[in-house]
Amino acid sequence: KAGVTQTPRYLIKTRGQQVTLSCSPISGHRSVSWYQQTPGQGLQFLFEYFSETQRNKGNFPGRFSGRQFSNSRSEMNVSTLELGDSALYLCASSPSTGAGQPQHFGDGTRLSIL
Amino acid sequence: AQSVTQPDIHITVSEGASLELRCNYSYGATPYLFWYVQSPGQGLQLLLKYFSGDTLVQGIKGFEAEFKRSQSSFNLRKPSVHWSDAAEYFCAVGLSGGYNKLIFGAGTRLAVHP
Repeated sequence: KAGVTQTPRYLIKTRGQQVTLSCSPISGHRSVSWYQQTPGQGLQFLFEYFSETQRNKGNFPGRFSGRQFSNSRSEMNVSTLELGDSALYLCASSPSTGAGQPQHFGDGTRLSIL
Repeated sequence: AQSVTQPDIHITVSEGASLELRCNYSYGATPYLFWYVQSPGQGLQLLLKYFSGDTLVQGIKGFEAEFKRSQSSFNLRKPSVHWSDAAEYFCAVGLSGGYNKLIFGAGTRLAVHP
């Protein structure tokens, strides 16, 4: 069974631009969560999508948004990029939603803002 | 507020030595606890999880962890470390409430000397 696939693996953008990251979950998984990883703040929860609905959102500005499609694939979008948005963005999938669900992570998209 | 503390930022052990990585959590309800490992340039891999029942849980790669409610701890152990165990280890707590959200500790970077 294929794992969680994130594309692209690397992105370089400049301040003010916007970016879209993609995540394909493990087949059969319906929940997709996104996390931001930085050296200073560590791993922080961005949001979770289940059945095309945002279930929960972390403490991030409205520039960070996402969506989920009917096939459970998910995208996240960051608008008006800032230098502080440079990070590794990780996507995780699980069969369903709920606290006990083990989450399976992709290898991430490394976003660099110049 | 929920939080996870990993007191050790860096740990160095010799190959073949035993290992214990510390994790303390702060959470009012029964916690769902996880240990993940991250190798450079990769995503997070689930080592083990605790939901309820036996307080000593076994995971992959020879790791185990013990849940101690009285100490709010969930320490990760391995009796004999291999060079390939060098990586960063994250403890996380899953919040109850019907959705997926992990609160991560800051991580412990493990170096293994030959």
